Amino acid sequence: GAVVSQHPSWVICKSGTSVKIECRSLDFQATTMFWYRQFPKQSLMLMATSNEGSKATYEQGVEKDKFLINHASLTLSTLTVTSAHPEDSSFYICSARAGAANQPQHFGDGTRLSIL
Amino acid sequence: DQQVKQNSPSLSVQEGRISILNCDYTNSMFDYFLWYKKYPAEGPTFLISISSIKDKNEDGRFTVFLNKSAKHLSLHIVPSQPGDSAVYFCAASARGGATNKLIFGTGTLLAVQP
Repeated sequence: GAVVSQHPSWVICKSGTSVKIECRSLDFQATTMFWYRQFPKQSLMLMATSNEGSKATYEQGVEKDKFLINHASLTLSTLTVTSAHPEDSSFYICSARAGAANQPQHFGDGTRLSIL
Repeated sequence: DQQVKQNSPSLSVQEGRISILNCDYTNSMFDYFLWYKKYPAEGPTFLISISSIKDKNEDGRFTVFLNKSAKHLSLHIVPSQPGDSAVYFCAASARGGATNKLIFGTGTLLAVQP
């Protein structure tokens, strides 16, 4: 149980385009979803937290107009990287948690984003 | 400011022996700790967690120990198997916080030699 699916797994696109990444909880309802970014040989850095039906809470230094997060249902959250540039190239990972804070987060397999 | 630290970037262990992965934290508000395992190009997989009211939690070959006074936790894997080779992240959260967000360490690459 506790499967999180993330799509696509790999994206290559031109600078200036927008990219949407989907995160789905397949067998549980995720009241809270999280979006992380990981640079090579570094830790996962939390970008934002979203609760179903409400606006996302962004971490300091993360541009909310550039990284649009939508959490429209209990099983789906999306991250849209708008007007992507090469410096946005990274590994983006979502996670989902059901219910209370004493439940672990379950992660998707990540999306490798490469902006040319 | 790295609130969760894994000072060993890598560890090599023989198959069948014990693997001990260490993690230190600085924020005394953290009260929930987790270990995740990550293979390349995949998301982390939850392994085991521990609440600050405990000092040990065991699940099969995996045991997590928490020393609150030292702000230190460790993950023991015994016996180690080649399939355990991966990057291990520890993470911590303060569950009284608004979002209970996880703060991750930088990871330790475990290589279990056959």
